[in-house]
Amino acid sequence: GAGVSQSPSNKVTEKGKDVELRCDPISGHTALYWYRQSLGQGLEFLIYFQGNSAPDKSGLPSDRFSAERTGGSVSTLTIQRTQQEDSAVYLCASSLAGGPHEQYFGPGTRLTVT
Amino acid sequence: QKEVEQDPGPLSVPEGAIVSLNCTYSNSAFQYFMWYRQYSRKGPELLMYTYSSGNKEDGRFTAQVDKSSKYISLFIRDSQPSDSATYLCAMRETNDYKLSFGAGTTVTVRA
Repeated sequence: GAGVSQSPSNKVTEKGKDVELRCDPISGHTALYWYRQSLGQGLEFLIYFQGNSAPDKSGLPSDRFSAERTGGSVSTLTIQRTQQEDSAVYLCASSLAGGPHEQYFGPGTRLTVT
Repeated sequence: QKEVEQDPGPLSVPEGAIVSLNCTYSNSAFQYFMWYRQYSRKGPELLMYTYSSGNKEDGRFTAQVDKSSKYISLFIRDSQPSDSATYLCAMRETNDYKLSFGAGTTVTVRA
């Protein structure tokens, strides 16, 4: 079956512009996660959605970052007024349910802020 | 100090060698330990999953957890060029969904 898909695969933007990154989770997966992977760093948790519950936004690094999940499926991560330190690979993962279930990762969106 | 420490390498070994990877951690509440493999320009994929202390073997891969030392290891026997990838350790507390990752070790297996 189809795995987690993300778009675009690459995004180059100028400092100060807004960007939107999209994630399509595996069909039937109720939990969705966003992570950031900077060069030489491990994956950094950003946000978690589970069903209709309020999302866990505790990992978002600043108020320039926001995310939404529509209809319990597709999710969009928005970064406003991008900065050079936002350059990273943004990974999305989904799992069958919330809690301790295996997370399946998408290929990521490589964001470069010039 | 990071919650999970992992030597980024890089590590280069000849084909057939044993690859040894490890991570240390500081949070004694971690109970579940994972190893992910990440090929270039791809997302991580789960390789091994271990609960609490002990060993787990799956084919050429062996995962070890020593909770008393807060130290986990992954061994790859008879390494192949197709094993060339970045290996990330990850761990979490019981009933938690948040994973804490190491920085990843880049491994190259030379034919």
